[in-house]
Amino acid sequence: AQTVTQSQPEMSVQEAETVTLSCTYDTSESDYYLFWYKQPPSRQMILVIRQEAYKQQNATENRFSVNFQKAAKSFSLKISDSQLGDAAMYFCASYGNKLVFGAGTILRVKS
Amino acid sequence: EAGVAQSPRYKIIEKRQSVAFWCNPISGHATLYWYQQILGQGPKLLIQFQNNGVVDDSQLPKDRFSAERLKGVDSTLKIQPAKLEDSAVYLCASTQFGGRADTQYFGPGTRLTVL
Repeated sequence: AQTVTQSQPEMSVQEAETVTLSCTYDTSESDYYLFWYKQPPSRQMILVIRQEAYKQQNATENRFSVNFQKAAKSFSLKISDSQLGDAAMYFCASYGNKLVFGAGTILRVKS
Repeated sequence: EAGVAQSPRYKIIEKRQSVAFWCNPISGHATLYWYQQILGQGPKLLIQFQNNGVVDDSQLPKDRFSAERLKGVDSTLKIQPAKLEDSAVYLCASTQFGGRADTQYFGPGTRLTVL
């Protein structure tokens, strides 16, 4: 069975600052992928970043990076230089035999 | 490239009524997924199709939910009869191949309210 836990229901960040969203997961699969998805108020979910579990190097996509701690089953998302357009619901997800989502973290960006 | 299309965007029905949602995936995508997203929760997979075959429907409440993907392109999800707890956003997603490395592309969703 797979579970994904996001312990922060809501986070706020000042524009241009850095914020970290937390995620822990559990899976019995030996090969899996981890994802962060963004869901703006319009509800179209889009992929932010992905991490292959067998890769030790943390994934980076422009201002978005992850801190993947495999032994601790932790997968946090860091957003640098936060922008107003980053305001959204962020979902952490794992894919072992299916895509399983956490409950999400609402990110608010203050100008 | 056109994205995943869903219709209708909103639907309000009375409990015990029937409802159907439609999804057209990205052209050429073999795998199609239906998710249920209840307010305040993450999406939950209901069913996964590979072409026109079902790969995983273990979380689909089969006494009231049904889905089909005729000809391996667009898909319909039906609820009959609807219950109050079916109020949710129903998301459709598609991927080119269906593996765990594939990016899932999501549609805008259909928001269902059951009164």
